Amino acid sequence: LAKTTQPISMDSYEGQEVNITCSHNNIATNDYITWYQQFPSQGPRFIIQGYKTKVTNEVASLFIPADRKSSTLSLPRVSLSDTAVYYCLVVYQGGKLIFGQGTELSVKP
Amino acid sequence: DADVTQTPRNRITKTGKRIMLECSQTKGHDRMYWYRQDPGLGLRLIYYSFDVKDINKGEISDGYSVSRQAQAKFSLSLESAIPNQTALYFCATSGEASGGRTGELFFGEGSRLTVL
Repeated sequence: LAKTTQPISMDSYEGQEVNITCSHNNIATNDYITWYQQFPSQGPRFIIQGYKTKVTNEVASLFIPADRKSSTLSLPRVSLSDTAVYYCLVVYQGGKLIFGQGTELSVKP
Repeated sequence: DADVTQTPRNRITKTGKRIMLECSQTKGHDRMYWYRQDPGLGLRLIYYSFDVKDINKGEISDGYSVSRQAQAKFSLSLESAIPNQTALYFCATSGEASGGRTGELFFGEGSRLTVL
């Protein structure tokens, strides 16, 4: 199973772009990369998923280099409400979904 | 109504007691999961099930058991609760994406268990 490694915490200010990088050195050919957001006392919520290159939706972008050993979640112009824990998750065909420790993002005014 | 419902939301119990946490879903998904969350440790997988007849151990299954009573119901039991099982427990469901891959996970609101 691909193990993920993320920074434990990050700080930012409102209006800035935030990039959170996740490393997954032993990702397999058919694995996908997924990011989740979690607020205190709530279950995680899906943000974005990708396989390679770049994926963008209404809330974030996901950049995956050609070797796929890492991925970067990009949050444009963060606000205070983006303060949360962000999890990188490698999804493979086996179904045993293992979360990492997550990155605690703190957005300050 | 929530798509994934967990009961109870909060429970305080004593060491040695048997506890059951229940999860039901209206998503129509086949795949269901139980996770445990502790401060600083992220989410750890306890058990998961791909259908009614399929049960699989996760990272930390010791001290826990599960029952998949129906497609929509997946229960987690602590046969004899101990204090280090004090945690926030999450149930999640997902469908199957292309190539047999697990689709997006949908989580319940969590069940906070305290074992004294």
